[in-house]
Amino acid sequence: AQSVTQPDIHITVSEGASLELRCNYSYGATPYLFWYVQSPGQGLQLLLKYFSGDTLVQGIKGFEAEFKRSQSSFNLRKPSVHWSDAAEYFCAVGEPGTASKLTFGTGTRLQVTL
Amino acid sequence: DSGVTQTPKHLITATGQRVTLRCSPRSGDLSVYWYQQSLDQGLQFLIQYYNGEERAKGNILERFSAQQFPDLHSELNLSSLELGDSALYFCASRRDNSPLHFGNGTRLTVT
Repeated sequence: AQSVTQPDIHITVSEGASLELRCNYSYGATPYLFWYVQSPGQGLQLLLKYFSGDTLVQGIKGFEAEFKRSQSSFNLRKPSVHWSDAAEYFCAVGEPGTASKLTFGTGTRLQVTL
Repeated sequence: DSGVTQTPKHLITATGQRVTLRCSPRSGDLSVYWYQQSLDQGLQFLIQYYNGEERAKGNILERFSAQQFPDLHSELNLSSLELGDSALYFCASRRDNSPLHFGNGTRLTVT
């Protein structure tokens, strides 16, 4: 069965600092990979996705993620964090060929200090 | 705004009761998914419908059921509610192989 691990439950960074959120997955093949963000009281918003091709994918709000097959990782990065980025971030995997029935990680809560 | 509408936003009810959560998918989306988000279980896939038919089941209890109507809106029915059913229930929709688009959820509190 596919699984997703987000090892960091909570991360605090200063505004303007760089950010990297870790995500490791377990799956027999290369799955579809996603990062979603959830602000308080809101639903999940898609930041970016990886299906195939270029392993560095660009998303919204200045985020990017890099798929590394050898490490089974799909880490999310942002060069300069803004206070409005404070939220909970979820990594998710879906079966190849479909973006449905996503399996989510437990999430990483990002706090941004001014 | 994702285009997925969920009602109500909040629901407070007592144990043993039954509630219905409603979801209107994005225009043109045939697939609807239900997820449960709780503190101890995280985000769990419950069930998927496609154009009115059940397509996939996840960790959905027998006390829970769902349906998708001809106008593509969906309802999640939760019965014999227990304290542990308190959670955020999300609906998501998609078309073809596009990513899921989530609604803002219904927060259910069972007292």
